Amino acid sequence: QVQLVQSGAEVKKPGASVKVSCKASGYTFTNYHISWVRQATGQGLEWMGWMDPKTGNTGYSQNFQGRVTMTRDTSINTAYMELSSLRSEDTAVFYCARRTAIGTGWFDPWGQGTLVTVSS
Amino acid sequence: AIQMTQSPSSLSASVGDRVTITCRASQDIRNDLGWYQQKPGKAPKLLIYSASSLQSGVPSRFSGSGSATDFTLTISSLQPEDFATYYCLQDYNYPLTFGQGTKVEIK
Repeated sequence: QVQLVQSGAEVKKPGASVKVSCKASGYTFTNYHISWVRQATGQGLEWMGWMDPKTGNTGYSQNFQGRVTMTRDTSINTAYMELSSLRSEDTAVFYCARRTAIGTGWFDPWGQGTLVTVSS
Repeated sequence: AIQMTQSPSSLSASVGDRVTITCRASQDIRNDLGWYQQKPGKAPKLLIYSASSLQSGVPSRFSGSGSATDFTLTISSLQPEDFATYYCLQDYNYPLTFGQGTKVEIK
């Protein structure tokens, strides 16, 4: 079945970086964009950016510009999201999601989420 | 950025009730909108795309309507498994933006 499986929880110190992976299976990885979404504890959903696995092209939310990098390894059908200069406000669950059709609001499936805790 | 204003932020309802959640966009987004359900500790789940298309496998008690700036998610007869938080998402232009969420609680 079509699924996205993310890497496990991380604990980081302020100022460090974290790299979260998202492994795709059950479909052709390069045919669909991947987006990343952040959800701080008890808060709503925040879109971070997108990546085209075929070309490596990316687009980032201004809120994360300069701190986020989205990449992929097509040989293992895996997308990555790296967030640098971590601060306590970045303590959150990060989700990857497949953008099934652009312009429709159709993101499916989603990864299970990766909790990143930023604490000194 | 397009602002998505969702209302109400929370509501209490009983099993069997009809529930309506609205999302208003700060500009015309055609029908480029999705609705998601999220339960505690779980990833969001797609319910509706293109404002009114029901995702495969989603019960028919869920429906979406609207276009341009005003959108509605309706649950025709609330079931116990529907108690959750619901979000709209505009997919018209970047940055994509979510509504702030509507928590549906048991009365």
